[in-house]
Amino acid sequence: GAGVSQSPSNKVTEKGKDVELRCDPISGHTALYWYRQSLGQGLEFLIYFQGNSAPDKSGLPSDRFSAERTGGSVSTLTIQRTQQEDSAVYLCASSFQEYTEAFFGQGTRLTVV
Amino acid sequence: ILNVEQSPQSLHVQEGDSTNFTCSFPSSNFYALHWYRWETAKSPEALFVMTLNGDEKKKGRISATLNTKEGYSYLYIKGSQPEDSATYLCAFYQAGTALIFGKGTTLSVSS
Repeated sequence: GAGVSQSPSNKVTEKGKDVELRCDPISGHTALYWYRQSLGQGLEFLIYFQGNSAPDKSGLPSDRFSAERTGGSVSTLTIQRTQQEDSAVYLCASSFQEYTEAFFGQGTRLTVV
Repeated sequence: ILNVEQSPQSLHVQEGDSTNFTCSFPSSNFYALHWYRWETAKSPEALFVMTLNGDEKKKGRISATLNTKEGYSYLYIKGSQPEDSATYLCAFYQAGTALIFGKGTTLSVSS
């Protein structure tokens, strides 16, 4: 596609429910990142996929968070048993290869009520 | 997780003023340093990708320098305009790790 696509753009969920956020990176980009921005905070790194290497999961805040990237393309970020502190904007980005310019999607605004 | 520090946290200037921001990062195993502009209701967009010590990049009124030995980068805006109002993020790439962002400097330019 022309750019990084994220869905849904907005998600309101009840505390305790599971949610899935989707990211479609730019075709041919080998690197894919997930970040989140909580209210008043900067971009917090969550997880990084690079080619066929094992993902860098060092930013995931708890074991309720997981992500996968299928076929080196689409990625899904799953949050289980959502908590109110999970409310944030979740941003996905991709780049042609590691260290090159990252292109961001429009983000998913998650609200846990 | 690596620590990337940006200062100041926020800045308010008048139209026509020149300004600069600082990004500090670990000096070991350096790979790349990025600058992004993040406007309200939009996604971050890259300004510069810098990889070599001593790199200087320029785009219009905005320029950036890089010192990998001491671990800092400066972003300069000459003759600020209201449309420059945004949050400026730097991001650091160390070999084998993800792209880690600082908290950003929020610039507000009054006309």
